[in-house]
Amino acid sequence: GENVEQHPSTLSVQEGDSAVIKCTYSDSASNYFPWYKQELGKRPQLIIDIRSNVGEKKDQRIAVTLNKTAKHFSLHITETQPEDSAVYFCAASKGGSYIPTFGRGTSLIVHP
Amino acid sequence: DSGVTQTPKHLITATGQRVTLRCSPRSGDLSVYWYQQSLDQGLQFLIQYYNGEERAKGNILERFSAQQFPDLHSELNLSSLELGDSALYFCASSVGGQGGTGELFFGEGSRLTVL
Repeated sequence: GENVEQHPSTLSVQEGDSAVIKCTYSDSASNYFPWYKQELGKRPQLIIDIRSNVGEKKDQRIAVTLNKTAKHFSLHITETQPEDSAVYFCAASKGGSYIPTFGRGTSLIVHP
Repeated sequence: DSGVTQTPKHLITATGQRVTLRCSPRSGDLSVYWYQQSLDQGLQFLIQYYNGEERAKGNILERFSAQQFPDLHSELNLSSLELGDSALYFCASSVGGQGGTGELFFGEGSRLTVL
């Protein structure tokens, strides 16, 4: 089955800095890569996703890049703010089932 | 509010007991997923139902079972509970099938504590 590795497990940055979270996946058939944000005590929520037919997608301060050849994808957050502090999960899925396999999560801490 | 409702929010029980977690998906969503989130662990996929039928199984223990009813709500049954079953159990829903976008909408979770 699919295996998703996510690094780092913890990321501490100063407000205004950029943050990058990296994930690799094992199944070359995976074609959908969502990112979920989970604030403390809250439910995971989709923040951005990318499909295998594109290499990059941006939404305001967040962007995701995908390298299908290397089977890795990354989340980039620019101009970080304290409210960006949360656990971020990457995931990979394929086909019509869309059952995501999640990475173990990255705890992002943004210091004011 | 995601539109996914989970009950109960918190549950404390003893080892060996059985509990049932309930999930009502978003209106119109046919797929329901159950995930387990333990301390410092990611989201472990347990099982998926689509329109009343089991669609996929993940790392679900034999002591656990689930079903999706005709009104599309789902229940996750956990039996012979052990200390290690203490976790946050999330239900998520999606449109499912070929019409889905892939986004999962999570409920607030049911926190199970086994003493």
